[in-house]
Amino acid sequence: AQSVTQPDIHITVSEGASLELRCNYSYGATPYLFWYVQSPGQGLQLLLKYFSGDTLVQGIKGFEAEFKRSQSSFNLRKPSVHWSDAAEYFCAVGAQDTGRRALTFGSGTRLQVQP
Amino acid sequence: GAGVSQSPSNKVTEKGKDVELRCDPISGHTALYWYRQRLGQGLEFLIYFQGNSAPDKSGLPSDRFSAERTGESVSTLTIQRTQQEDSAVYLCASSLDSLGQETQYFGPGTRLLVL
Repeated sequence: AQSVTQPDIHITVSEGASLELRCNYSYGATPYLFWYVQSPGQGLQLLLKYFSGDTLVQGIKGFEAEFKRSQSSFNLRKPSVHWSDAAEYFCAVGAQDTGRRALTFGSGTRLQVQP
Repeated sequence: GAGVSQSPSNKVTEKGKDVELRCDPISGHTALYWYRQRLGQGLEFLIYFQGNSAPDKSGLPSDRFSAERTGESVSTLTIQRTQQEDSAVYLCASSLDSLGQETQYFGPGTRLLVL
């Protein structure tokens, strides 16, 4: 069964600083990988996704993520954080070759942005 | 176009009562998913529907939980004899199909509080 680990429960960065949110997955084959953002009182919004091909994926709002098979990681990055990026971020994995179609989510990383 | 909608947005009920939560997926989306998000945690898969196929119920935590979907339209999640541990946000998502590559679009959720 697949699993996702987000080691950082809470991260605080200063506005304008760079950001990296960690995500490690466990899955026997090449996974589908996603990053979602959940702002207070709102639903989940897809930031980016990886299926195959180029391992560096660009998303919305200036985010990017890199799939590293050797490290089973899919870390999310942003070069310069804005105050509006404060939210909860979820990494998720989907299975390519099993009957299970639902996503498996990590427990989330809450991002706080200091002025 | 319209996104995934869910109702009610909030529900407070007494322990032992039954509750019914509703999800309206994006028109044309054949796959529909229910997830549960407990406070401070990630999303747990509950059940998914794909067209007229038998639903994948593997995530339902107990037989008090059930869900129905009529064709490719509205779905209802029913929780019978609610318990305090059922308190959570229940999220519905839909996608074009369930091949795994398709983006899941999430509704705003129903926040359930069992007293």
